[in-house]
Amino acid sequence: DIVMTQSPDSLAVSLGERATINCKSSQSVLYSSNNKNYLAWYQQKPGQPPKLLIYWASTRESGVPDRFSGSGSGTDFTLTISSLQAEDVAVYYCQQYYSTLYTFGQGTRLEI
Amino acid sequence: EVQLVESGGGLVQPGGSLRLSCVASGFTFSSYAMSWVRQAPGKGLEWVSGISGSGGSTYYADSVKGRFTISRDNSKNTLYLQMNSLRAEDTAVYFCAKIGSGGAFHIWGQGTMVTVSS
Repeated sequence: DIVMTQSPDSLAVSLGERATINCKSSQSVLYSSNNKNYLAWYQQKPGQPPKLLIYWASTRESGVPDRFSGSGSGTDFTLTISSLQAEDVAVYYCQQYYSTLYTFGQGTRLEI
Repeated sequence: EVQLVESGGGLVQPGGSLRLSCVASGFTFSSYAMSWVRQAPGKGLEWVSGISGSGGSTYYADSVKGRFTISRDNSKNTLYLQMNSLRAEDTAVYFCAKIGSGGAFHIWGQGTMVTVSS
């Protein structure tokens, strides 16, 4: 199975500041035939299901604010929130879908 | 509106069985793969099982293989998870999710709680 490891486990950022969350996969999730990274980012607020933010490592889901961006390729990925808003307090997860034995990172708790 | 609604959770004794359902609406159900993901209390997300749009291909996490069975009834727009030989460590909120054409989980239900305890 592909193991996904996020860092840090928790992060405190001031309002308006940048937040950066990292995700590393145990093997490449870049599919060479289409040059796409099979990596997604989700946001989960307390008592709610996860919400898809980013897929193909850098494509924002419809309706997601443009302060959220994803980058990286191969085995190393980053989720960046350019200017933290109060409503961004949540746990963030990366996920690989390169293999149908899907796996998630352990989560990063983002606080203010 | 695209919607997924899970049901069937509850309290069950260790070794018991439970069947979860997820009713889909707002999209052509048979065209999309679906998945179950669980979250133990206070813990992270764990993928459990997946199924192709036709139901011809199924996938399981090692932790549930041989005990859980995923299926779907495309005529009823419903996804199922049959859970047998339940253990305390299966206690979690179970979410169903619609898998997009690329493979990310675009839509999630609200979840149903399963508690395995004597």
